[in-house]
Amino acid sequence: KQEVTQIPAALSVPEGENLVLNCSFTDSAIYNLQWFRQDPGKGLTSLLLIQSSQREQTSGRLNASLDKSSGRSTLYIAASQPGDSATYLCAVRPWTGGFKTIFGAGTRLFVKA
Amino acid sequence: DTEVTQTPKHLVMGMTNKKSLKCEQHMGHRAMYWYKQKAKKPPELMFVYSYEKLSINESVPSRFSPECPNSSLLNLHLHALQPEDSALYLCASSGGTSGIQYFGPGTRLTVT
Repeated sequence: KQEVTQIPAALSVPEGENLVLNCSFTDSAIYNLQWFRQDPGKGLTSLLLIQSSQREQTSGRLNASLDKSSGRSTLYIAASQPGDSATYLCAVRPWTGGFKTIFGAGTRLFVKA
Repeated sequence: DTEVTQTPKHLVMGMTNKKSLKCEQHMGHRAMYWYKQKAKKPPELMFVYSYEKLSINESVPSRFSPECPNSSLLNLHLHALQPEDSALYLCASSGGTSGIQYFGPGTRLTVT
């Protein structure tokens, strides 16, 4: 059974810091891995998706990497800003199981001005 | 346009009521999803429709009844809910080779 874990559960950093959020999964047979951002009480915003065959994806100040063999993904945020404060979720789509998607519990990020 | 819309934004219903949640997308996506999210928890998958056919049902109680009338619309019919069903209900869609899921803003449901 695929399990997804995110560490740390919460993180508080001063503005301008570079930071790394971690996501680990137990079964390396994945179709893709997607990182989302969620503001309180809102829906999820897609940040980056990494296909099984890819190693990383970049969008602006965000970079996501994938290492299937070790069951890990990282989300790197450069030069953090107060507007980055949100919960960050990673979600794994297993290779089998159709459209099934399994989420980690998320990392709550607070960037202090 | 990568928008998924959901109505209503908020819903309060009694345990004997019947109500429906609606979701719409016009991205041509052929997979649509319902998730339930409790406070400070990740979304939990409830149902997936693929090409308007129910593909996944994660052992959801029958008081939740999904419907996909066409490729753009997804409904969730609610009947005889319990207070513990109060949550944020999220709709998502995905399509194409990337499989990126796009989420709607959610419906905040309170069962009294």
